[in-house]
Amino acid sequence: TQLLEQSPQFLSIQEGENLTVYCNSSSVFSSLQWYRQEPGEGPVLLVTVVTGGEVKKLKRLTFQFGDARKDSSLHITAAQPGDTGLYLCAGPSYKLSFGAGTTVTVRA
Amino acid sequence: KAGVTQTPRYLIKTRGQQVTLSCSPISGHRSVSWYQQTPGQGLQFLFEYFSETQRNKGNFPGRFSGRQFSNSRSEMNVSTLELGDSALYLCASNDPLSGRNYNEQFFGPGTRLTVL
Repeated sequence: TQLLEQSPQFLSIQEGENLTVYCNSSSVFSSLQWYRQEPGEGPVLLVTVVTGGEVKKLKRLTFQFGDARKDSSLHITAAQPGDTGLYLCAGPSYKLSFGAGTTVTVRA
Repeated sequence: KAGVTQTPRYLIKTRGQQVTLSCSPISGHRSVSWYQQTPGQGLQFLFEYFSETQRNKGNFPGRFSGRQFSNSRSEMNVSTLELGDSALYLCASNDPLSGRNYNEQFFGPGTRLTVL
């Protein structure tokens, strides 16, 4: 099983601040996915990064895949209360392996 | 397209009972996976079905089983419930034949199971 470690575990910030969430592994991944899960709902796919060094932007969210394809980061600019949720990274193999997640709380 | 639906959304059972959860995937998706989510263990893979066959299985005891029907709908069964089975059970579907081989999952809202 390819282990994915996410940090920090919890993050609480004020609206308008920036934040970065990290996903690291000792294994190389062919691709990596980021999901966001809101309370009472299932995770929703945000993005899939495929190429080492790749940067993808989704409005105020920026996703980066490490050059060696062992790590990824999610950066949120000017966070809003609607960004609150559990952010999960996942690496596909024969089964999807998830990190433990980062709980992000954005205070108004 | 309608999303993944799961029924029931909430369930309360007592130890020793059994439970069956249902999942309807996105139309056209033939792969259905089940996950257990708990605060302590996070999201853990239970099993995956494709074309009515279990294709992959996680590290859960035999009390956890599933099946898939010809219309791709899936059910998960847990027998002899234990307190530790209390969790959010998530179903996800995807289309392995879409050409995107990244195993991207589309999740349902989950079934919250409480075992008393």
